[in-house]
Amino acid sequence: ELKVEQNPLFLSMQEGKNYTIYCNYSTTSDRLYWYRQDPGKSLESLFVLLSNGAVKQEGRLMASLDTKARLSTLHITAAVHDLSATYFCAVDEYSGGGADGLTFGKGTHLIIQP
Amino acid sequence: NAGVTQTPKFQVLKTGQSMTLQCAQDMNHNSMYWYRQDPGMGLRLIYYSASEGTTDKGEVPNGYNVSRLNKREFSLRLESAAPSQTSVYFCPLTTGTEGCTNYEQYFGPGTRLTVT
Repeated sequence: ELKVEQNPLFLSMQEGKNYTIYCNYSTTSDRLYWYRQDPGKSLESLFVLLSNGAVKQEGRLMASLDTKARLSTLHITAAVHDLSATYFCAVDEYSGGGADGLTFGKGTHLIIQP
Repeated sequence: NAGVTQTPKFQVLKTGQSMTLQCAQDMNHNSMYWYRQDPGMGLRLIYYSASEGTTDKGEVPNGYNVSRLNKREFSLRLESAAPSQTSVYFCPLTTGTEGCTNYEQYFGPGTRLTVT
């Protein structure tokens, strides 16, 4: 059974600081997603990482994937209040995409304070 | 989300009542999914269907039945609703080509179900 663990689950940080969210998973996979969710809203797709060493960046967020370590990171640079949200990683065991669905982590609830 | 229609958007049920959530897609994809999200949790897969006429259990299938009678539609039925089934239910839009690197799942507003 695939397990996906995120840490930390809760994070309060100040604006301007850098931090990293970690996503570990228990089986071989080279397909990992990051989503953002604002309170009361649905999930917004942030990144799709498809191979070992993949790195993607959008604004102050950068995601990477190390399939050998079964680890993905989401790095926040010079945080701003607007990035406050819950962030989820999700793993697809099926490297081709599709078939048997995604397994999600419990999410990291991020609060960025002025 | 263009390409997938999930109904209803909101529903309140009493314990023991039944209901069916409907999901229809026009992307001609083989795979369809039902997830639930409880407060403070990530999404958990209830059932999925890899192709028309086939269904498989996900992580939390108990208390649910599904039906994939055609390629477009994948329905989720609660035969006897329980308060533990209060949740937000998602049938995601899938884009790209199955088996290819551009395949992704996008999540719309879902169905907010409350069982009292």
